Amino acid sequence: GENVGLHLPTLSVQEGDNSIINCAYSNSASDYFIWYKQESGKGPQFIIDIRSNMDKRQGQRVTVLLNKTVKHLSLQIAATQPGDSAVYFCAETVQGAQKLVFGQGTRLTINP
Amino acid sequence: DTEVTQTPKHLVMGMTNKKSLKCEQHMGHRAMYWYKQKAKKPPELMFVYSYEKLSINESVPSRFSPECPNSSLLNLHLHALQPEDSALYLCASSQDLAGETQYFGPGTRLLVL
Repeated sequence: GENVGLHLPTLSVQEGDNSIINCAYSNSASDYFIWYKQESGKGPQFIIDIRSNMDKRQGQRVTVLLNKTVKHLSLQIAATQPGDSAVYFCAETVQGAQKLVFGQGTRLTINP
Repeated sequence: DTEVTQTPKHLVMGMTNKKSLKCEQHMGHRAMYWYKQKAKKPPELMFVYSYEKLSINESVPSRFSPECPNSSLLNLHLHALQPEDSALYLCASSQDLAGETQYFGPGTRLLVL
């Protein structure tokens, strides 16, 4: 399953499928990007990050891709599980800027 | 250990009350943050502390008063709040301000009656 930009805030996927969550960031000067997962009633949880000198970074079942040319960030989750149900936020910052700028978020729901 | 703790988990207060939210981290981080999050929205930055000094105030109303007693603690004092201030208040910390990862606490769910 895949969402397109920030105009589709909900993504539904079948359990076991791969999920792709997209984020269009705003500042071409941003050099550090983070994906957070926020489950209902909890604070945002760090998932994975990437710096602007990279275009891909892999974690456990997650991969972040960065395309600076079109200012696009994506989070890929392999073999989606029920525990992956949450709202996912991308965040961008410029080193030394003291602020994170969050995207609007995408709600990921898993169908059994 | 990447844990940020917040107390209380839930808080209900009247518009004339004074209350405080507390945040603690023991990761040796020197930057701490307060965010406000409304339902179905991303966190909004309120305050940033760097080395126990207020670094950023995002034009937050004076009825919210932050305090950083030491490098591990961050408080948010609340006074004369409005019902529209009801939200999830999140604390976060990072190693410093140089574009490092922010780690969030579980938040305090605040309801103002």
